[in-house]
Amino acid sequence: EVQLLESGGGLVQPGGSLRLSCAASGFTFTSYALSWVRQGPGKGLEWVSSISDSGDSTFYADSVKGRFTISRDNYRDTLYLQMNSLRDEDAAVYYCAIPSYSSGWGYFDDWGQGTLVTVSS
Amino acid sequence: EIVVTQSPATLSVSPGERATLSCRASQSVSSNLAWYQQKPGQSPRLLIYGTSTRATGISARFSGSGSGTEFTLTISSLQSEDFAIYYCQQYNRWPPLFGQGTKVEIK
Repeated sequence: EVQLLESGGGLVQPGGSLRLSCAASGFTFTSYALSWVRQGPGKGLEWVSSISDSGDSTFYADSVKGRFTISRDNYRDTLYLQMNSLRDEDAAVYYCAIPSYSSGWGYFDDWGQGTLVTVSS
Repeated sequence: EIVVTQSPATLSVSPGERATLSCRASQSVSSNLAWYQQKPGQSPRLLIYGTSTRATGISARFSGSGSGTEFTLTISSLQSEDFAIYYCQQYNRWPPLFGQGTKVEIK
């Protein structure tokens, strides 16, 4: 059974930083791309970033480009999202998800339970 | 980018009735469209991909149709567990954008 367990969320001040983690199990980690999708309070879903199975290719939404960095540790089966220069509008539940194609593209087959990021002074 | 618009925002349906949800793309996405269900406090769940292919374990009550720019999710006979928010998502071009959602509520 695929399991994605996010952690690292919390309260951070505007301009601050946070690193999210997603521990994966139940599948061959190195064979799958991974993504982060977020959902602001009372809002819809917004794709944030994706990374290919090898980690060689990364993709970002314009809203986070230059501030967020996605990475993966294929030895620890863990996905990361380093978030810098956080803004009020970055407050959301952040989900780890598996896109359907190893390049980082496609629909999202499996989702974690999410971790909440609150940005407030 | 390809903008995806869902309608209506809210759909009030009685249990046992049929629900029809629409999703429109600003340009053709071929058949590269998916649907998700999200219940309060839960993560989204993939229902349909490739416009009409049900994901593993999804009831045959759910069906998808359409092509190009116009797509439909039909729930044939609403059960209590189907009342939720439904999102469509295009994956024909970067970035993979979601619609704003349709809430299906009990009438």
